[in-house]
Amino acid sequence: DQQVKQNSPSLSVQEGRISILNCDYTNSMFDYFLWYKKYPAEGPTFLISISSIKDKNEDGRFTVFLNKSAKHLSLHIVPSQPGDSAVYFCAASASVEGTYKYIFGTGTRLKVLA
Amino acid sequence: NAGVTQTPKFRVLKTGQSMTLLCAQDMNHEYMYWYRQDPGMGLRLIHYSVGEGTTAKGEVPDGYNVSRLKKQNFLLGLESAAPSQTSVYFCASISWGAKNTGELFFGEGSRLTVL
Repeated sequence: DQQVKQNSPSLSVQEGRISILNCDYTNSMFDYFLWYKKYPAEGPTFLISISSIKDKNEDGRFTVFLNKSAKHLSLHIVPSQPGDSAVYFCAASASVEGTYKYIFGTGTRLKVLA
Repeated sequence: NAGVTQTPKFRVLKTGQSMTLLCAQDMNHEYMYWYRQDPGMGLRLIHYSVGEGTTAKGEVPDGYNVSRLKKQNFLLGLESAAPSQTSVYFCASISWGAKNTGELFFGEGSRLTVL
């Protein structure tokens, strides 16, 4: 029973265009949503997050949109650059029994073509 | 500032052998987590800790034990390694506060192969 789903295992985008990565979740108790970027042989690095009380958060080229009614979030990268090529993980957190648990999606591999 | 450091980075074990992965963080974080990453499975939580002396089970705890004797260290043990435990293991930590973004800080990973 996957609570956080990334249904697209891979995505290819031309340099300079928009990349849109999608994530769906099932648990309405999640209160934070995050995106992580991962290069091969490295640990995931934090990209951007959004609280469940907001519907948009922007940081430079990265914008995360949250649609609570649809239980859907998306990450927009504009403009896409070759250095953005990596695996992107969506994650959701919830406070459970006094601690914060993070559930990750399976990842989407983004390839930005020069 | 080292952040989250994992040792060893690579290890090859034979079935039935035991080993311990060490995670150390220098950010004074209360919460620490151990995840494993497998192809097509994303990151799955093995065990976590909300503070020194406390541990709890995550999604896939079987075959693993953990200890948090010191706040900065979180150890993951395999008592009798199995090929199914071949994976990349990531440690992460966080300290929740009023202005927290929810960001987990990850180590670089430890690649374990069990033959």
